[in-house]
Amino acid sequence: AQKVTQAQTEISVVEKEDVTLDCVYETRDTTYYLFWYKQPPSGELVFLIRRNSFDEQNEISGRYSWNFQKSTSSFNFTITASQVVDSAVYFCALTPGYSSASKIIFGSGTRLSIRP
Amino acid sequence: DTAVSQTPKYLVTQMGNDKSIKCEQNLGHDTMYWYKQDSKKFLKIMFSYNNKELIINETVPNRFSPKSPDKAHLNLHINSLELGDSAVYFCASSQGLAGAGPETQYFGPGTRLLVL
Repeated sequence: AQKVTQAQTEISVVEKEDVTLDCVYETRDTTYYLFWYKQPPSGELVFLIRRNSFDEQNEISGRYSWNFQKSTSSFNFTITASQVVDSAVYFCALTPGYSSASKIIFGSGTRLSIRP
Repeated sequence: DTAVSQTPKYLVTQMGNDKSIKCEQNLGHDTMYWYKQDSKKFLKIMFSYNNKELIINETVPNRFSPKSPDKAHLNLHINSLELGDSAVYFCASSQGLAGAGPETQYFGPGTRLLVL
């Protein structure tokens, strides 16, 4: 079974705090890809990161960082020094297998609110 | 110069009507998708086309019929609209290079459908 679990439904922090969004996935495929997307209040879906199952290196992009751990099937997302503009729903997602055109399996999303 | 565009952005209609949503991408991608996001923000794939050929067809009522006149367009036609069809419908596209593994999907702005 393919599944993505985002156990945190909502998180609210004060601006400038660090926040980590958890993502746990299930798949039997040895090759798969993981993604994070952001959905701000305006409603569009914005791609943040894509990571394949063979690359466990953590990634940092500005205030954003991602921690991929195959041993715990987790792909967590940390925002450092959060800002009000980070307020959005964040989706973790999984694409199993090696097909060039595969469906994305989304988690249920974590609604992040950054208070000024 | 929008990468993935959808029209209309908002669609309000009566139960029983037939309506279409159009999607166009100017990224030169080979694969296009339709996703449905329900009121709880849950995102689920409906269809996928690769070079005008249907490759993913999830369990979707046959009132929904996708049509791809060319690889840059994927339209969604819905017959006999029901209250439960109210949702946000997202179109997406990806490169879909054979053997390259699942590529990043880029999403359109969404079409907010309300069935009264």
